[in-house]
Amino acid sequence: DAGVIQSPRHEVTEMGQEVTLRCKPISGHDYLFWYRQTMMRGLELLIYFNNNVPIDDSGMPEDRFSAKMPNASFSTLKIQPSEPRDSAVYFCASSPIANVLTFGAGSRLTVL
Amino acid sequence: AQSVTQPDIHITVSEGASLELRCNYSYGATPYLFWYVQSPGQGLQLLLKYFSGDTLVQGIKGFEAEFKRSQSSFNLRKPSVHWSDAAEYFCAVGYTTSGTYKYIFGTGTRLKVLA
Repeated sequence: DAGVIQSPRHEVTEMGQEVTLRCKPISGHDYLFWYRQTMMRGLELLIYFNNNVPIDDSGMPEDRFSAKMPNASFSTLKIQPSEPRDSAVYFCASSPIANVLTFGAGSRLTVL
Repeated sequence: AQSVTQPDIHITVSEGASLELRCNYSYGATPYLFWYVQSPGQGLQLLLKYFSGDTLVQGIKGFEAEFKRSQSSFNLRKPSVHWSDAAEYFCAVGYTTSGTYKYIFGTGTRLKVLA
């Protein structure tokens, strides 16, 4: 298995632009998590899905952030409009039973 | 609110020395407990986990951790550190509340290994 695949690995954009991060979970994993990692706040859970349904989005910082999972093999995290404080590494992780997570390599976002 | 505390932000040890990374959690019952390792520019990799049973668990790369209920701790240990162990280590707690699964990470401990 190729593991959890995230794209892009690096994204540099200007404030106000729309950013879309993508994730392909491991086949057969029913849970998908989006995390954000910054020096100041560490690893924060943004949202997680079970069988493509959002279960807990209490960590999504504000309405500028949205996440979708249209099918079992694909999820997106969108920021619109982006702001410099959104600069972080965004991780996607998947799990068969919501406890042992397998992480992707992350998407490093820089908003200028 | 539940929490995970890793009191040491940075730890430096010499290669070949023993290592213990501390982790304390706040939760009424026994949660699921995990240690992950993150190398620079990489995602997190699971080292070991505790769900129930034997309180001493073995993981990959020669790591082990001991769950101590009385101290609400789950410290990570390795008897002899290798230079390749230099990385950031995260303790995590998983638990269910109001039908929702929560998975919380500590702030991490960055390990430096001296040759």
